[in-house]
Amino acid sequence: ILNVEQSPQSLHVQEGDSTNFTCSFPSSNFYALHWYRWETAKSPEALFVMTLNGDEKKKGRISATLNTKEGYSYLYIKGSQPEDSATYLCAFPTGTASKLTFGTGTRLQVTL
Amino acid sequence: DVKVTQSSRYLVKRTGEKVFLECVQDMDHENMFWYRQDPGLGLRLIYFSYDVKMKEKGDIPEGYSVSREKKERFSLILESASTNQTSMYLCASSKGRYNEQFFGPGTRLTVL
Repeated sequence: ILNVEQSPQSLHVQEGDSTNFTCSFPSSNFYALHWYRWETAKSPEALFVMTLNGDEKKKGRISATLNTKEGYSYLYIKGSQPEDSATYLCAFPTGTASKLTFGTGTRLQVTL
Repeated sequence: DVKVTQSSRYLVKRTGEKVFLECVQDMDHENMFWYRQDPGLGLRLIYFSYDVKMKEKGDIPEGYSVSREKKERFSLILESASTNQTSMYLCASSKGRYNEQFFGPGTRLTVL
């Protein structure tokens, strides 16, 4: 089983704070790196699929960077809002490349 | 928008019962997946299918089987439910390789 590690496990920030978390993955046989957001009582939703070393993607206040040579990706949230509260998952394709191995996630809580 | 639906949001079954969880997607995706989510363990892949009648074991297939008779439908079967199969079950689908997965709302199964 491929190891995808995320840190921290949980994070509690105040509204307006910027924050970031890390996903580490094996740097060999890289295909892509996925980020998902999973809000309570909802389904996980894809944020980004990143494929190129040095890639940077942005969606509103959320952005992500990718370093395939050293095997890590950062997710940044600028000016956190309560609606950003969710578990953020990263995932790494393995085997047939349609199959994903997920990290255990970073649980973010944003309070007023 | 891709829609992935699951037959039940909540299900309570007794030990030894046969349980069917149904998943349907409406976007002609060839890949479909079944995961279970347990606290502290993240999303773990049970089985996946990349075509009609094709299936592959994921990381935790023991105690489960699957069926894919039509492209849009992927069923997870617990032949004889046990209490350690109490969990949240999520279905997902995707198209091609490396692409994002779209998740259903989940079924919270309790086995008494």
